[in-house]
Amino acid sequence: DSGVTQTPKHLITATGQRVTLRCSPRSGDLSVYWYQQSLDQGLQFLIQYYNGEERAKGNILERFSAQQFPDLHSELNLSSLELGDSALYFCASSGPGEQYFGPGTRLTVT
Amino acid sequence: EDQVTQSPEALRLQEGESSSLNCSYTVSGLRGLFWYRQDPGKGPEFLFTLYSAGEEKEKERLKATLTKKESFLHITAPKPEDSATYLCAVEGVHDYKLSFGAGTTVTVRA
Repeated sequence: DSGVTQTPKHLITATGQRVTLRCSPRSGDLSVYWYQQSLDQGLQFLIQYYNGEERAKGNILERFSAQQFPDLHSELNLSSLELGDSALYFCASSGPGEQYFGPGTRLTVT
Repeated sequence: EDQVTQSPEALRLQEGESSSLNCSYTVSGLRGLFWYRQDPGKGPEFLFTLYSAGEEKEKERLKATLTKKESFLHITAPKPEDSATYLCAVEGVHDYKLSFGAGTTVTVRA
């Protein structure tokens, strides 16, 4: 158990819909990272927050947004969903020299 | 942009048959090179972080080494429970994210 929690574990929704994925970092970690993993793309960095502020942005679509709240949990919002958004979404949090991943949310868009 | 290439894509080993996985990288200033293990449908599990050429780290049957251009993950006398996908990632000094390779899927037969 990495100490990073993610909910829900599975999400099935239709094209055009909007979903919210939630992540709680390890106790004491200020950074939260979001990654997308699909079969053909591997693990792709989406966005990082540090203590409530956006710190780095990867290839995140404009339909996707995220935020980190004062209690340090983070939410990833995915809107206008397309079939190609089906993937595993991972959250990670980091301490010095280490980055720990949560169990992931499997999103299926039908 | 940081680039990570892992080889081979897949490796089938007999129990007890030692082998090595390769991770070649290009990055403008290495902050750290990370190795993870990932089981199907699960989040990546942190194994090692290496910071400078010549550094080595060990954990049970795994040993990671680092040069200026590549890293090796040596698996000594593997067991079936070592079967997994092993992921390599780099973090550059100008980044706040990990760039991942596609992984090497290791299968160990009893």
